[in-house]
Amino acid sequence: EAGVAQSPRYKIIEKRQSVAFWCNPISGHATLYWYQQILGQGPKLLIQFQNNGVVDDSQLPKDRFSAERLKGVDSTLKIQPAKLEDSAVYLCASSVGYGLSQETQYFGPGTRLLVL
Amino acid sequence: AQKITQTQPGMFVQEKEAVTLDCTYDTSDQSYGLFWYKQPSSGEMIFLIYQGSYDEQNATEGRYSLNFQKARKSANLVISASQLGDSAMYFCAMRETPRSKAGTALIFGKGTTLSVSS
Repeated sequence: EAGVAQSPRYKIIEKRQSVAFWCNPISGHATLYWYQQILGQGPKLLIQFQNNGVVDDSQLPKDRFSAERLKGVDSTLKIQPAKLEDSAVYLCASSVGYGLSQETQYFGPGTRLLVL
Repeated sequence: AQKITQTQPGMFVQEKEAVTLDCTYDTSDQSYGLFWYKQPSSGEMIFLIYQGSYDEQNATEGRYSLNFQKARKSANLVISASQLGDSAMYFCAMRETPRSKAGTALIFGKGTTLSVSS
């Protein structure tokens, strides 16, 4: 079974530029998560989708970040314009169902973003 | 509010020895799940083990076991017979059972870096 796919793996941009990340979850997984992991910290949720609807985006900086999951499969996370503090690893994860406490989330390899 | 605390920034162990990575959590919920993930330098988060709040037995998965002490709100990871490939960052995480559409994301600790030497 293929895992969670993400691209690109690395991205370097200058501040005020825009950037987009792509995620393809494990086939059949209804729930998709985007996490931000700043160096030296644990991942923090940005947004959660269930099928193609947003479940939780309370920690998404909506003035600059946007995300969509068209057709309930793959997802795109965009930053526009980027700031220096957006330098981080962006992790996509998916889980099979509807978020029971025991449900395992499977993570992709992440995209490392450096904003100069 | 949920909170995960990992007090060991780094741990050092020799091959074939056992090591315990500490994790304490804070929640007012009765139903929750505790997870451990491994993050090698490549960056991917690898699921290791899960413990439910109502599970009476400590979880085990191969060389990984979880020492779950509910009254103390601790969920320590024990790795037996350490291998060089175990060198990585280890994260403890928690998720409560959702009561609404408020979301079911994992709350992570800051992690512990494990270094295994030969």
